Amino acid sequence: NAGVTQTPKFQVLKTGQSMTLQCAQDMNHNSMYWYRQDPGMGLRLIYYSASEGTTDKGEVPNGYNVSRLNKREFSLRLESAAPSQTSVYFCASSIPDSYSYEQYFGPGTRLTVT
Amino acid sequence: KQEVTQIPAALSVPEGENLVLNCSFTDSAIYNLQWFRQDPGKGLTSLLLIQSSQREQTSGRLNASLDKSSGRSTLYIAASQPGDSATYLCAVRPANNQGGKLIFGQGTELSVKP
Repeated sequence: NAGVTQTPKFQVLKTGQSMTLQCAQDMNHNSMYWYRQDPGMGLRLIYYSASEGTTDKGEVPNGYNVSRLNKREFSLRLESAAPSQTSVYFCASSIPDSYSYEQYFGPGTRLTVT
Repeated sequence: KQEVTQIPAALSVPEGENLVLNCSFTDSAIYNLQWFRQDPGKGLTSLLLIQSSQREQTSGRLNASLDKSSGRSTLYIAASQPGDSATYLCAVRPANNQGGKLIFGQGTELSVKP
């Protein structure tokens, strides 16, 4: 099993450009999440998908959109990138057990917006 | 609003020392608490998950405890090794949320000196 995979690993964008971060998991997990990690801020939830076909906003959703393409894939889109979106983005998924929801993380995408 | 705090932000110890990392949270209404390890430039690896009904969990040299009523968790690392050097994050799953969302602390950066 590859676990949770993310592409690309690194990306540099100019202000105003758009891009989509891809995430896929092969663990048959129902729930998937997008977080961003900034120095001194910890990880903050952007969007999550409790199950295929559903998405909900997290703590910091502004400037982002998501698509739960199928059970395996959950993408994050920046429509018009801003320097404040420079961050490390992590995708995660959690096991179907609704009691524990233990989360498994991908390796991250390091995004710089100039 | 649930807040999670980890103190200290950084810790340096000599190899072989036993150490304790602290995590506190403001709202005791949680489903569980999860400890993660993050190596520089990498994603998060789940270490231990403690359900709200449990007092502690153990894995090898790691022992995590939970005192829900006082809003505290500790991660005990026995006989520390240089390979334990990493950032350790704790995260709680609030009891009132759906989809397994996590609230993260800012992490403790641990350095174990040979």
